[in-house]
Amino acid sequence: GAGVSQSPRYKVAKRGQDVALRCDPISGHVSLFWYQQALGQGPEFLTYFQNEAQLDKSGLPSDRFFAERPEGSVSTLKIQRTQQEDSAVYLCASSLWQDSWPDTQYFGPGTRLTVL
Amino acid sequence: DAKTTQPNSMESNEEEPVHLPCNHSTISGTDYIHWYRQLPSQGPEYVIHGLTSNVNNRMASLAIAEDRKSSTLILHRATLRDAAVYYCTITGNQFYFGTGTSLTVIP
Repeated sequence: GAGVSQSPRYKVAKRGQDVALRCDPISGHVSLFWYQQALGQGPEFLTYFQNEAQLDKSGLPSDRFFAERPEGSVSTLKIQRTQQEDSAVYLCASSLWQDSWPDTQYFGPGTRLTVL
Repeated sequence: DAKTTQPNSMESNEEEPVHLPCNHSTISGTDYIHWYRQLPSQGPEYVIHGLTSNVNNRMASLAIAEDRKSSTLILHRATLRDAAVYYCTITGNQFYFGTGTSLTVIP
C-alpha cells in the first residue's frame, strides 16, 4: 500500500518568505508527527496530532511555525518569515495509534528546505 | 522523559555480525524500545521493537538487558545495504531520536 508522502520534496525560499509543507499520512492512521532534522543530526520532534487534535506542539521552535490537520488526514506545516536557521529536512510520520503501545511510526521521505 | 545514548559511529566488515548498543538508563517499566534506521536521503524506517524479551525478525534481532537499561541491535550478516544511521528510541519519550549510530559496512 501507499506509504507516507510529502510534498514538495525540495523547497528553496528566500529569507522572509512563507512556506507550506504538506504531509499525506497512510490511510487510516490516526497519529501524525512532524520532525525537523538538521544536517548530521537526528530527527527532532516538532508537533503531534491525534486525528485533527494537536496534542503536543512543544517542539515548535517559535511562533513562526504552525501546523494543522483540519480533517484528521492531510497535514500542513507552515513556516512564516523563514530564516536561514530554518534550513533543514522536515519529516512527517504517521502511526496507527492503538490504545496500547507499541506504536510504530512510518516516515515519509521528507522535504528539504533551504532558506537563502 | 527517557533518553538514549549511542556511539556516534561503528564499522563492520561485510557479512560479519554487527552489535549496535544503546543505553536507556531512565527507561520506565512500560516503555517499549524501538529501533529505526535511516538510509541516506530517506526518512527513518522501522527495524524492530521489544519490551523485555529478546526479539527476532527478518531484519534483525534485539537483545534487551535484564534490567532493561540497555539494549543491542544485532545484524547477523551486515550487507552494504545496511549502511545507515541507526536510532534507538524509548516509547516513554517516543519523540526523542538522539544522534544515532552511523554504521559503515566495509566490503
